Amino acid sequence: DSGVTQTPKHLITATGQRVTLRCSPRSGDLSVYWYQQSLDQGLQFLIQYYNGEERAKGNILERFSAQQFPDLHSELNLSSLELGDSALYFCASSGGYEQYFGPGTRLTVT
Amino acid sequence: GEDVEQSLFLSVREGDSSVINCTYTDSSSTYLYWYKQEPGAGLQLLTYIFSNMDMKQDQRLTVLLNKKDKHLSLRIADTQTGDSAIYFCAEAPPGAGSYQLTFGKGTKLSVIP
Repeated sequence: DSGVTQTPKHLITATGQRVTLRCSPRSGDLSVYWYQQSLDQGLQFLIQYYNGEERAKGNILERFSAQQFPDLHSELNLSSLELGDSALYFCASSGGYEQYFGPGTRLTVT
Repeated sequence: GEDVEQSLFLSVREGDSSVINCTYTDSSSTYLYWYKQEPGAGLQLLTYIFSNMDMKQDQRLTVLLNKKDKHLSLRIADTQTGDSAIYFCAEAPPGAGSYQLTFGKGTKLSVIP
C-alpha cells in the first residue's frame, strides 16, 4: 500500500460528459502528479501540482484541468469526453524525487 | 531517439536471474527509476539510481547505469513467480522543481515455474 488513495476505482460514462477524479496524497507530501496510461500511448505525464500551485504541465488536453486544494488533495477534471479518453488515470504523491502511485481510476467512455 | 526504449517481453525460469534493459533519452536526467506493475494494480516504486552512480544494489535487485550510452538495466536475482509483472523504466529530466517522469512502454516479465 503506497498510502496514496484515488477515487473512484472505476468510472463508466458517455461521450460528451464530464467527470472528476480524486487523489489524496501520502501524509506530508506536497506534490501530486497525474499520469494517463493507455494501450496506445503508454504512461504519459499530464500535470503536477505543488502545495496548491501548478508546477509543471505535460501532454494534457485543454479539455482536462486539475487543481490541488488546501488540504493537498487533488482533482483531475475531464470534460467533453471522447472514446479515446478511456484509460487508467494515476496520481502520484511525492515529497522529493520519489513518486508513489495510487491504485488508479479506470475510466471507460462509451 | 525520442522515446525511452525497452524490450517488450522477457521470459525466464524460476530461480534464474532476469535482466531488463532500458535506453533513456536525456543525458541530463538526474534520477532514473524502475517501477513494477502487477495486473490490475498501480505502479510500485522498486528502486531508483542517481545519475552520479554506476550501480545500486538492493536485496535481489541490482541497477546498472551507463551514462555514456544512456543505458539502464535492472537485474533480479533468483527470480520468483511473484516477480511476474510489467517493469517500467522511467527518467526524470531536469526541470524547475519537477521530477515528472517519462516512461518506457514496459517489459512484461514472465517467470516459468
